[in-house]
Amino acid sequence: NAGVMQNPRHLVRRRGQEARLRCSPMKGHSHVYWYRQLPEEGLKFMVYLQKENIIDESGMPKERFSAEFPKEGPSILRIQQVVRGDSAAYFCASSPLRKAGLYEQYFGPGTRLTVT
Amino acid sequence: LAKTTQPISMDSYEGQEVNITCSHNNIATNDYITWYQQFPSQGPRFIIQGYKTKVTNEVASLFIPADRKSSTLSLPRVSLSDTAVYYCLVGDQTGANNLFFGTGTRLTVIP
Repeated sequence: NAGVMQNPRHLVRRRGQEARLRCSPMKGHSHVYWYRQLPEEGLKFMVYLQKENIIDESGMPKERFSAEFPKEGPSILRIQQVVRGDSAAYFCASSPLRKAGLYEQYFGPGTRLTVT
Repeated sequence: LAKTTQPISMDSYEGQEVNITCSHNNIATNDYITWYQQFPSQGPRFIIQGYKTKVTNEVASLFIPADRKSSTLSLPRVSLSDTAVYYCLVGDQTGANNLFFGTGTRLTVIP
């Protein structure tokens, strides 16, 4: 059973360009989460999605950032008109739905975005 | 939002037992406690989860006192490969509470 897959692993963009980050959850997982991590800092929650639905986007900037998780295909985190401050590692996690207890999240290897 | 407080960093020698304590004074009745481990340049990895008393798996033990306002992750006989950042999360299944990772505890194992 393949783990969470993210691509690309490294992405370089010039200021003003668009960045598209992809995440394929583990097989059977219908919940996807995106996090951002700056160097030497903890993970910051951005958005939580289920298939075709955004459940919680409270951690995502209102402008330039969007996320989707279509019925078919990977989840996409899109950053328009990138700025230097967007340079970070972006992690995707997925989880199954449990009947009780807190679901554990399975993380991908991350995409390291560098804005030049 | 059930916030957590952990030490920023800890050092330990190889072969010792390491205990990392997390404070969560505002934990709610439905909240579970979960610990993750993160190595440099990798995504976090689930270690252990519990609700009360003690939980043990092949990697670690989790001790939760009766009032549940804190929890202790115990790593037996650490090795150099246990050098990582350890995050404590508190929350339930429904909301964003469980999605606050904080800055974690950076454990450095010394030879």
